Amino acid sequence: SQELEQSPQSLIVQEGKNLTINCTSSKTLYGLYWYKQKYGEGLIFLMMLQKGGEEKSHEKITAKLDEKKQQSSLHITASQPSHAGIYLCGADKKTSYDKVIFGPGTSLSVIP
Amino acid sequence: DVKVTQSSRYLVKRTGEKVFLECVQDMDHENMFWYRQDPGLGLRLIYFSYDVKMKEKGDIPEGYSVSREKKERFSLILESASTNQTSMYLCATHSDRFNQPQHFGDGTRLSIL
Repeated sequence: SQELEQSPQSLIVQEGKNLTINCTSSKTLYGLYWYKQKYGEGLIFLMMLQKGGEEKSHEKITAKLDEKKQQSSLHITASQPSHAGIYLCGADKKTSYDKVIFGPGTSLSVIP
Repeated sequence: DVKVTQSSRYLVKRTGEKVFLECVQDMDHENMFWYRQDPGLGLRLIYFSYDVKMKEKGDIPEGYSVSREKKERFSLILESASTNQTSMYLCATHSDRFNQPQHFGDGTRLSIL
């Protein structure tokens, strides 16, 4: 069955630094979603990627899906304390379009 | 914007009680989901519903049931709460269109004493 792995598991960065979070799939990704979760709250949808090589940006966050569609990266430029939280990737299950599997999450702390 | 509302942010109940968690969405989405989230285990699907009165078991349905009497409302029921059901519960909705994200509520942090 398809599984998603995320690295690193946790990250502590100084405010202003850039960082990258990776999401790797054991199988081809047919729809890749990035979510952010503030501690103790629900998931907020950030971006969706579908095509190999696709790249999307929103404010200081850029997400990419590699050509082989098995890995995605989330890059934050000039991090701020407001970026702190848990970042999760999710992917459509090929066998069931309305179900999504999620990675374990990456916890990000930004030190002012 | 999609709005998914969960009835409680925090809930404390006792072992053996029957617990109801409610979720309401305002976007006319066909599909609704209940997950629980635990440290080290990530998000796990409990039940989902793709239509009124329709439900399907997810990965961990034991000890739970669900009800969907109206399209906008999806309820999770703990028939007899146990301490191992202490967790963060998240409701999500999804339209029938392919390649659309799930939208989540704010979560309910449930403690069973």
